[in-house]
Amino acid sequence: LAKTTQPISMDSYEGQEVNITCSHNNIATNDYITWYQQFPSQGPRFIIQGYKTKVTNEVASLFIPADRKSSTLSLPRVSLSDTAVYYCLVGDLQGGKLIFGQGTELSVKP
Amino acid sequence: DSGVTQTPKHLITATGQRVTLRCSPRSGDLSVYWYQQSLDQGLQFLIQYYNGEERAKGNILERFSAQQFPDLHSELNLSSLELGDSALYFCASSESAGNTEAFFGQGTRLTVV
Repeated sequence: LAKTTQPISMDSYEGQEVNITCSHNNIATNDYITWYQQFPSQGPRFIIQGYKTKVTNEVASLFIPADRKSSTLSLPRVSLSDTAVYYCLVGDLQGGKLIFGQGTELSVKP
Repeated sequence: DSGVTQTPKHLITATGQRVTLRCSPRSGDLSVYWYQQSLDQGLQFLIQYYNGEERAKGNILERFSAQQFPDLHSELNLSSLELGDSALYFCASSESAGNTEAFFGQGTRLTVV
């Protein structure tokens, strides 16, 4: 399983765009990149998943460069309720294990 | 609401005891994952079942065991409990066995005293 590296914490203000980058230098050809969000004392929630280029849904965008060794989760116009821990996971769709790293603790201030 | 149901929500028990945590996956999901989350360890993957069979194993202690039943619900059994087993235990489910969108339950908070 490819190891991921993310910043431990980030601060932002309401209304700003937040970009969280995840490094995964050893990503394999069959691996997908998935991001989860977790609020305190709640289970993680799936945000977005992608393989290459750009994926966008109603919540976020995921940018993946051509070499796929990193990915960036973009949260447009964050609000206080986006304060949470964000996890980047890398693995193939048949791999089974969902391994969470340390995650990035995002704090959104008024 | 993720559609994954975990019971009980809270559990307080003494050291040395045994407890069973239950998970009902989302309708139609064949895969169930178990995680332990304590303050100093983050989210630790314990074990995964797919359609009744063990699919993947993580850092699960020998004192812990799990199974998935024919109706696809799963149970995590924790025995000879120690203070350090106090944690939030999450169950998640997904349609397939792979690393796709997984849905997490609200967790069971276990306190060992």
